[in-house]
Amino acid sequence: GEDVEQSLFLSVREGDSSVINCTYTDSSSTYLYWYKQEPGAGLQLLTYIFSNMDMKQDQRLTVLLNKKDKHLSLRIADTQTGDSAIYFCAERHAGNMLTFGGGTRLMVKP
Amino acid sequence: DTAVSQTPKYLVTQMGNDKSIKCEQNLGHDTMYWYKQDSKKFLKIMFSYNNKELIINETVPNRFSPKSPDKAHLNLHINSLELGDSAVYFCASSQDSTRVNSPLHFGNGTRLTVT
Repeated sequence: GEDVEQSLFLSVREGDSSVINCTYTDSSSTYLYWYKQEPGAGLQLLTYIFSNMDMKQDQRLTVLLNKKDKHLSLRIADTQTGDSAIYFCAERHAGNMLTFGGGTRLMVKP
Repeated sequence: DTAVSQTPKYLVTQMGNDKSIKCEQNLGHDTMYWYKQDSKKFLKIMFSYNNKELIINETVPNRFSPKSPDKAHLNLHINSLELGDSAVYFCASSQDSTRVNSPLHFGNGTRLTVT
């Protein structure tokens, strides 16, 4: 995860919005992904954005992409306790290889 | 119904042993991968295999060898296990590594502990 960076930890109250940030390095990445990992489980694809888009909304999830700054964010509206997990951003390289960030642990307090 | 399944879920073994982790996907995908997640949760690609080509990450020791009997299976064999091999190993698959967008689907991981 050295090339894709995320903050380690985020704590929010239930019902608030969560914003998880990510910076990546490969300006030629065509797709950027957000994955969710719950304890003891694998990574679940949450959403993705194509590099020619600025924003993508999918129910409670909003992805913002600033290609100039190589900055990606995931906003979760009305955060619930079930959203507590580790969130990984990933950039796609040639051959569908993904480079993952170090993950952001989201803790949602009731 | 599990899309990408790995066995075993947990593996505890001693240094120097040889072990294998199995992976199967029933999604009809063409490409399979092995990722390693260390104790700090960093995920790194180890291998990608798409039935035609095995892509090896140069940082992976040659003690690790993937074996693919068919495109639905990609097993990981590890020789002479070392303490530093302790990690969670994730198998994943995607429809086609050459498609513009082909998200990875992950298994639930195999936690390897080397004592």
